[in-house]
Amino acid sequence: AQSVAQPEDQVNVAEGNPLTVKCTYSVSGNPYLFWYVQYPNRGLQFLLKYITGDNLVKGSYGFEAEFNKSQTSFHLKKPSALVSDSALYFCAVRDANTGTASKLTFGTGTRLQVTL
Amino acid sequence: NAGVTQTPKFQVLKTGQSMTLQCAQDMNHNSMYWYRQDPGMGLRLIYYSASEGTTDKGEVPNGYNVSRLNKREFSLRLESAAPSQTSVYFCASGYGTANTEAFFGQGTRLTVV
Repeated sequence: AQSVAQPEDQVNVAEGNPLTVKCTYSVSGNPYLFWYVQYPNRGLQFLLKYITGDNLVKGSYGFEAEFNKSQTSFHLKKPSALVSDSALYFCAVRDANTGTASKLTFGTGTRLQVTL
Repeated sequence: NAGVTQTPKFQVLKTGQSMTLQCAQDMNHNSMYWYRQDPGMGLRLIYYSASEGTTDKGEVPNGYNVSRLNKREFSLRLESAAPSQTSVYFCASGYGTANTEAFFGQGTRLTVV
């Protein structure tokens, strides 16, 4: 079975400071990893994904994520946080061996609060 | 760009009533999904359709049925609503391969009283 853990319910950071939202995963095969963002009363928006290749993946709105196979982690980062980044962030995983777009498993979400 | 459109946006049902949540996508995607979002539990897959004409159970299918009406539309039906089905429901679609992301609708907030 595949699973995702987001150990922090909330992350607080001051505007202009770097931010990290943590994610660890478990799959039997190779992982495909995704980050989504959800603004209040909205659906989830895709930020970035890791499929293969470079461990540092760059995505929308200045976000990036680092894939670490040995630590089974895919932490989301941004060098300088903005108040407008405040939202709910979800990490998701799919087993690459499934071959089809079936089970995309989500974490429980991390609320990012950026303050002035 | 419509993307994934869900109707209705809000609904209040009485216990035992039935209703159908509608979802349509205009991106020519093969796969479609229904998730529910509950506080502290993230998103859980209810049903999915890998391609037109097929549907499969996800993690929490009990109490729900689905219909993939055509390539564009994927509906979710609650035959006899229960308070435990109070949730926010999201429809999503994707190209149908494991390495592609899903695109989400704006959600339906359902309350069962």
